[in-house]
This record gives sequence, structure tokens and C-alpha cells, in this order.
Amino acid sequence: EAQVTQNPRYLITVTGKKLTVTCSQNMNHEYMSWYRQDPGLGLRQIYYSMNVEVTDKGDVPEGYKVSRKEKRNFPLILESPSPNQTSLYFCASSPLSPSQGGNEQYFGPGTRLTVT
Amino acid sequence: GESVGLHLPTLSVQEGDNSIINCAYSNSASDYFIWYKQESGKGPQFIIDIRSNMDKRQGQRVTVLLNKTVKHLSLQIAATQPGDSAVYFCAENGVYNTDKLIFGTGTRLQVFP
Repeated sequence: EAQVTQNPRYLITVTGKKLTVTCSQNMNHEYMSWYRQDPGLGLRQIYYSMNVEVTDKGDVPEGYKVSRKEKRNFPLILESPSPNQTSLYFCASSPLSPSQGGNEQYFGPGTRLTVT
Repeated sequence: GESVGLHLPTLSVQEGDNSIINCAYSNSASDYFIWYKQESGKGPQFIIDIRSNMDKRQGQRVTVLLNKTVKHLSLQIAATQPGDSAVYFCAENGVYNTDKLIFGTGTRLQVFP
């Protein structure tokens, strides 16, 4: 089954404790992306990746890191989480990037992160 | 389920009627637009997209209209069904970086019998 998986689905952590949210897709998609979703603000793009070893900042990259060592995986790293990073996070992938023609972007189920 | 937003604009329609969800986008140079649907507790789901060289595109029961003059995008859903109840987001690609995606804040569609 074609899908995007994220782990964990729920995480409660404390300020400053490094964490990683994993994202994996099994569709051989080139474009992958991380978003955060907050009430009243919609979805905001954190980072995206055009392909292996190619990543770029979205609108709200501060406090986050990503890597794309393999095509299927795109982990989101919070080196020193803070309470303002409490949010619902989504990973997504699509065959092509928006400038290349876009096509359907598949979203993962979301990760609810709470930083106390 | 997960809350996707508080105080969202809400459109209430009767089952069987047509729905029109509107979106004002921000950048006149954006050339790619997408509509997503998000049901409670789930990730967004692609509905339909359109490039700026088109004014209209149709899918199954959905039509997207693009008016570049006034930077307006609309999603029309024919014969709205209870399963259409969700939050709908429009998105545009960035201007200086056309591989970024910028989402609107969303509209909640409620379908009543």
C-alpha cells in the first residue's frame, strides 16, 4: 500500500531534549516536505527536499533540521525543542516538486508534539 | 480526532446542494495552485490542482476556477455529500522559490441533511 508513515504519532517531551520525528514513503517520490499545523495558522512549510541530499528551507525553518540521506526517509530533528514548537506535524511526499509539475502530494497521519 | 483549527470560516450547505469554497491567494506570480481536504484526525488529502495557464479544471464532482486578475481561487463541489464535511485548504507555490508551498488558513465545510 502506497503510504507516508510518521513516528511517533504522539510525543510529550521537555524543553531542550533533542528529538527526531521519522518520515518514510514507499512510493519512490522525489519531493518530500515537513509542515506544522497550528490553530488559525493553517499549514506552514518547515523544510522540503527535492531529492537525496537536497534540502531547502520553507517558511518556518527556525529550530528545525532535516536530512535526506535516502530517498524514502526524511526525518525532522528538533535539537533543542521549546514550548513554541508544540504543534501538529505532517510529513508529505509527491512524485515531483511544485515547479516540476507538482502532482498529488501524499500526507502522513501526523505527529502531535507537546513540549513542556 | 486532532483539531485542525479554531474559528475557521465555515460554510454550511445542505446535502445535495453545490458548494463553493473561496480562497484569495497572495502572490500574483504564483503559477501552481492546489486544493486539499482535511478530515478530522487525518492528514490533508489532495483534491485537485491547477496551473496558472488554465482558468478551470474539472475532476470528479469538483471544479477549480482560477481568476488571476483578482488573485482568486475557488473550489466547487457538486452534489455535496456528508462525506465532504471537512476543512478545505488552498495552497500556492512560492514566487521567489517556486518549490515552496504556501497554504491558506482553511475553510470548514459542514454538510447537513
